[in-house]
Amino acid sequence: AQSVAQPEDQVNVAEGNPLTVKCTYSVSGNPYLFWYVQYPNRGLQFLLKYITGDNLVKGSYGFEAEFNKSQTSFHLKKPSALVSDSALYFCAVRDLNYGQNFVFGPGTRLSVLP
Amino acid sequence: EAQVTQNPRYLITVTGKKLTVTCSQNMNHEYMSWYRQDPGLGLRQIYYSMNVEVTDKGDVPEGYKVSRKEKRNFPLILESPSPNQTSLYFCASSPLSKVVGTDTQYFGPGTRLTVL
Repeated sequence: AQSVAQPEDQVNVAEGNPLTVKCTYSVSGNPYLFWYVQYPNRGLQFLLKYITGDNLVKGSYGFEAEFNKSQTSFHLKKPSALVSDSALYFCAVRDLNYGQNFVFGPGTRLSVLP
Repeated sequence: EAQVTQNPRYLITVTGKKLTVTCSQNMNHEYMSWYRQDPGLGLRQIYYSMNVEVTDKGDVPEGYKVSRKEKRNFPLILESPSPNQTSLYFCASSPLSKVVGTDTQYFGPGTRLTVL
């Protein structure tokens, strides 16, 4: 079975500082990993994904994520946070060797303070 | 504009009164899915469809029905809603890649349902 954990319910960071939102996953086969962002009263929007290749993936709005196979992690990062980055962030995983459905983490609320 | 639409956006109803939430996508995606979002639980999949007339249960299907008569539409039906179905519901669609299968999902704006 596949699962996703986001160990922090809330992350607070000052504007201009680097940010990290953590995600760990568990799959039996090969993972297909995603990050989505949800702004208030909106649906989820795609940020970035990883399936293979370079472990550092670049996505929308200056975000990037680092895949670490040994630690089964896929942490979301940004070098310099903006107040407008404040939102709810979801990590999702699909086991490429089992089924077609994704499992989502519980979400991490990011607050960027001015 | 490529999009997933849901209607209604907000709905307050009473226990036992049948309701339908519509979902439509204009991207010709094969895969469509319904999720519910509850605080601290993230998104949990209710039902999904790999193509027309092909539907299957997700993780929390009890109390819900779906149909996929046309590729673009995937309505969610609550035959007898109960208060524990009060939630935020999202419809999503995805193309089916020949290489990886289901791929990036595109989400609707959400339907906030309250069952009294």
